[in-house]
Parts: sequence; C-alpha cells; structure tokens
Amino acid sequence: KAGVTQTPRYLIKTRGQQVTLSCSPISGHRSVSWYQQTPGQGLQFLFEYFSETQRNKGNFPGRFSGRQFSNSRSEMNVSTLELGDSALYLCASSPYGQGNEKLFFGSGTQLSVL
Amino acid sequence: ILNVEQSPQSLHVQEGDSTNFTCSFPSSNFYALHWYRWETAKSPEALFVMTLNGDEKKKGRISATLNTKEGYSYLYIKGSQPEDSATYLCAFKGNFNKFYFGSGTKLNVKP
Repeated sequence: KAGVTQTPRYLIKTRGQQVTLSCSPISGHRSVSWYQQTPGQGLQFLFEYFSETQRNKGNFPGRFSGRQFSNSRSEMNVSTLELGDSALYLCASSPYGQGNEKLFFGSGTQLSVL
Repeated sequence: ILNVEQSPQSLHVQEGDSTNFTCSFPSSNFYALHWYRWETAKSPEALFVMTLNGDEKKKGRISATLNTKEGYSYLYIKGSQPEDSATYLCAFKGNFNKFYFGSGTKLNVKP
C-alpha cells in the first residue's frame, strides 16, 4: 500500500500571499487530519476531515482552511501569509479517525514565509 | 487549553543503556494515548495505541505503560541502540475527537 503523500515538499512564499498544500491519504482511509509543527512546539492540531466534512477544528485563525474531496484527498489553504506561518505542516490519515486507530503521517510540507 | 507534557525534553545515553521517559496528560475524559517515533527526515511512525488503564504494550526492546487515573504514560527502551535515536511523541485523545501532542523527548544514543 502506498503511504500518505504530501505535496509539495518545500514551499517558499512571501507575506500576504496564499498557499495550498495537498495530502493524499492511504487508500481506504477516510479521515485526514492536519498539524502544524513550529520549533519548540508540539504538533498543533489544525483540523480533521471525514467523508468530505470538517469534523473538528483547532485554535487557528480563519486564514487557515481546508477541504476534502470525494476520493479522500485533502487540501489545506492558508491565506494572507504571515511570518509566523513558517512551519512544517503534516497530514495524517486513518480509516475512520477513531482514537484507537494509529495515525499514518505524510512526510510534510516545509513552508517558509519571507 | 489542554496540556500534554513530556519529560525530559532531551536525553543523551550510551549504547546499551536502558532509558525511560514520561508523558503526562489530563486524567479526565480519557479516550486514548498514542506514542510515535519521529526520526530525522522521516514521518512520525506509530509505536503504540493504548486505551485502557493499566495497559502495557511491547514491541521488541520498547515498551509502554498507561495510568489513566493519574494521567501518565511511561515509554521504556531497553538496551538502547544508535538506531533508537529519534524524537518520541505522545498524543492524548479525549472524548472530543482531537489529538493533543506533547513537545516530544529527543533521544540521542551514542555508540
């Protein structure tokens, strides 16, 4: 089985721009969640999608949004980028997003905002 | 805001040493506790998923215990090897469908 695929691997943007990150889950997994990792911080939960519906959202401003398609692929969008948005963004998939299911992570997208 | 704390932040041991680290989490509304290993330039990889108080899991030289009543989990590595060098993350899930991750314990095993 192919693993979780995130694209692109690296991104450099400037303040004020917007960015879209993509995540393709493991085949058959319907839950996709997104996390932000900044230096010194643990993974911060952004949101979770299941069957094209946002099921849960973390404490991030409205500039962070996402969606999920019928094939379970998910995209995350950040508008009006700020310097503080520079981070590693990870997505993870699981069959149903239940707490007793382990998460399968992608390799992440490293976003640098200049 | 929910706190998941891991200690120590980093650990340097010699090959062959046994080591352990701690994950502290809220003792109420517990649903599951996960441990992940995150090697440099790779993706986090699941080690254990624990759901019951008193759970003990083992995978090779690595084991974990869970105490949901007092809100902690221990991860043990017996006879550390250089390939165990990684950041070990714990993640708490309560009855509200979000994962809260600790900041991790960075382990460095010297040959």
